[in-house]
Amino acid sequence: DTAVSQTPKYLVTQMGNDKSIKCEQNLGHDTMYWYKQDSKKFLKIMFSYNNKELIINETVPNRFSPKSPDKAHLNLHINSLELGDSAVYFCASSLNLGQSSPYIQYFGAGTRLSVL
Amino acid sequence: KQEVTQIPAALSVPEGENLVLNCSFTDSAIYNLQWFRQDPGKGLTSLLLIQSSQREQTSGRLNASLDKSSGRSTLYIAASQPGDSATYLCAVQETSGSRLTFGEGTQLTVNP
Repeated sequence: DTAVSQTPKYLVTQMGNDKSIKCEQNLGHDTMYWYKQDSKKFLKIMFSYNNKELIINETVPNRFSPKSPDKAHLNLHINSLELGDSAVYFCASSLNLGQSSPYIQYFGAGTRLSVL
Repeated sequence: KQEVTQIPAALSVPEGENLVLNCSFTDSAIYNLQWFRQDPGKGLTSLLLIQSSQREQTSGRLNASLDKSSGRSTLYIAASQPGDSATYLCAVQETSGSRLTFGEGTQLTVNP
C-alpha cells in the first residue's frame, strides 16, 4: 500500500482554470506538507498542517489554498492558474511528537502540473 | 534565513568508485539533516537522517556525517553501482515538525 499518495500524477490545464491536487497518507502521521519543485529542480516548502491546523504558510500567492478535512488528507486548490505555476508539487507527511522525536518526512510521488 | 548548498551539481563516475557528496548550510542551529534520493519522475526517498546531536549515520553502503558547527554534511557512497544513479538531495530541519530546507541536489551518474 502506498504510504503517501497524490492524485493526479499529471495535470495539464489552460491558464485561468482552477484545479485541485489531492493528497492522502495512511501512516497515521499528524503533520502534512506541500512542496513545490520548480524547473530547476529546487524544492521549496509551501504549506504545513499539523492536526488539520495551518502551521507553515510561506510566501505563496493566495490563489493557492490548502485544505485539510482530516489528519490523513491535505488537498491543494489553485485558482486562476498561471504559466509560472507549472512545476512538480510534492505532498509529504511526518510525525511531530516534540523535540525528542526527529521523524522522517515521507514524500508522495509528485503531481506534474503543466499550465498552457 | 537558512540556505543549503550542494556541491557538485553533477557527478559522473565509473562503477565501483567510492564517492562523496557535499552539503553545507548557513545556520548551524538545526534539528536534523536528511539525505534523500530522487529518481526521474519519482518522489523522494529518505536515505539517512542525522539528528543534531549525532555525528554520523550508516545504512549499507551509505554513510552520512554531520559537522554542525561548521555547517557541513557529507554523504559517502561506497562501491558505487549503476543503480545508484539518481539526484541526491540534502535537507535541514530547524525544529521538530517544521519545514525542510533543501539544497539543489547533486545529479549522480554511475557508468557501468
